[in-house]
Amino acid sequence: SQQGEEDPQALSIQEGENATMNCSYKTSINNLQWYRQNSGRGLVHLILIRSNEREKHSGRLRVTLDTSKKSSSLLITASRAADTASYFCATDGHSWGKLQFGAGTQVVVTP
Amino acid sequence: DTEVTQTPKHLVMGMTNKKSLKCEQHMGHRAMYWYKQKAKKPPELMFVYSYEKLSINESVPSRFSPECPNSSLLNLHLHALQPEDSALYLCASSEGKETQYFGPGTRLLVL
Repeated sequence: SQQGEEDPQALSIQEGENATMNCSYKTSINNLQWYRQNSGRGLVHLILIRSNEREKHSGRLRVTLDTSKKSSSLLITASRAADTASYFCATDGHSWGKLQFGAGTQVVVTP
Repeated sequence: DTEVTQTPKHLVMGMTNKKSLKCEQHMGHRAMYWYKQKAKKPPELMFVYSYEKLSINESVPSRFSPECPNSSLLNLHLHALQPEDSALYLCASSEGKETQYFGPGTRLLVL
């Protein structure tokens, strides 16, 4: 079963705007990851935030984690057409190596 | 080499056929994974191999048979599939239990 739920399901923005998507999960975690998937391709790891971290940056990406609310957000600043993709959050499951993926947010960035 | 490769990229098979999907990584990762992904859905874990031994089988039907010949290779043998098995099959590998590196996937169509 899915651990994470994401919203919005879809997001359409123009180049240069910021994109924010949220992920909520149900059980305690050690870490939370965000992955990107371009249409019909494999997933690419973007960033990992540990349960004792509140915020993390990587280039134009900013991730926050609120363990009290069991939620995380991914912010993409100054979006580009190449950011068009589906974004998934994933939490570590109860079994070794088992990731629980959220439903995903489909982001479309128009020039 | 930081890549996970998968062959073939596309596969069309009949319900009576036997085929195999192949996955290879040369990053020295000790864990390898098979996922199934339907359109607009997150990946669903099928199997996990750790140190070439099957560690997780997510109650996958026996018409899917995984094999790990060595630490770099992972196969998924397919036999007597159903049309509902049509999906994108993703392979991934990881060193630890956190970040997974995904291949580009094999798009399977069962007629």
